Amino acid sequence: EAGVVQSPRYKIIEKKQPVAFWCNPISGHNTLYWYLQNLGQGPELLIRYENEEAVDDSQLPKDRFSAERLKGVDSTLKIQPAELGDSAVYLCASSSGRGKAFFGQGTRLTVV
Amino acid sequence: QKEVEQNSGPLSVPEGAIASLNCTYSDRGSQSFFWYRQYSGKSPELIMSIYSNGDKEDGRFTAQLNKASQYVSLLIRDSQPSDSATYLCAVNTYNQGGKLIFGQGTELSVKP
Repeated sequence: EAGVVQSPRYKIIEKKQPVAFWCNPISGHNTLYWYLQNLGQGPELLIRYENEEAVDDSQLPKDRFSAERLKGVDSTLKIQPAELGDSAVYLCASSSGRGKAFFGQGTRLTVV
Repeated sequence: QKEVEQNSGPLSVPEGAIASLNCTYSDRGSQSFFWYRQYSGKSPELIMSIYSNGDKEDGRFTAQLNKASQYVSLLIRDSQPSDSATYLCAVNTYNQGGKLIFGQGTELSVKP
């Protein structure tokens, strides 16, 4: 069974440019999470989907971040415009229930 | 008070010893508890889940849960250098609609 797939693995962009990350969850997993992880810190939740509904986006900086999960499967996280402080690893995870989540490889974003 | 707290470490143990990692959480309604292992530059990998009070053993790993004390721990027996990583505690919080919250992680170093 394929795991959570994210792309790209690495991205370097100039500040003020837009960037998008893509996530394909494990088949059959209704719950999808986007986390942000800074060096030396634990993952911080940005948004959680149950099927196609965003049920928790309280930590998503909505002035520059947006996310969507069309048809309750793949998801895209977008930043526009990117700031230097957005440099981090963006992790996608999926779960079939009880919070037991499995992570993708992550996207390392560097904003210069 | 942070919702999930761990000692940041680093925790250093000799090869063959028992490593003990601790985690406390603030939401008394939490129902699911997880330990993830994260190697440097990699994404978190789920190694243990526990849902009821007591001990759960899987190979060299034992998770312990005490809901009355709001405490969960991970014991690693016969520690190996390959166990050197950051260990993340995660809690699925009932009172926040099932949000999966992570601690900051404990760095473990197993010395040969």
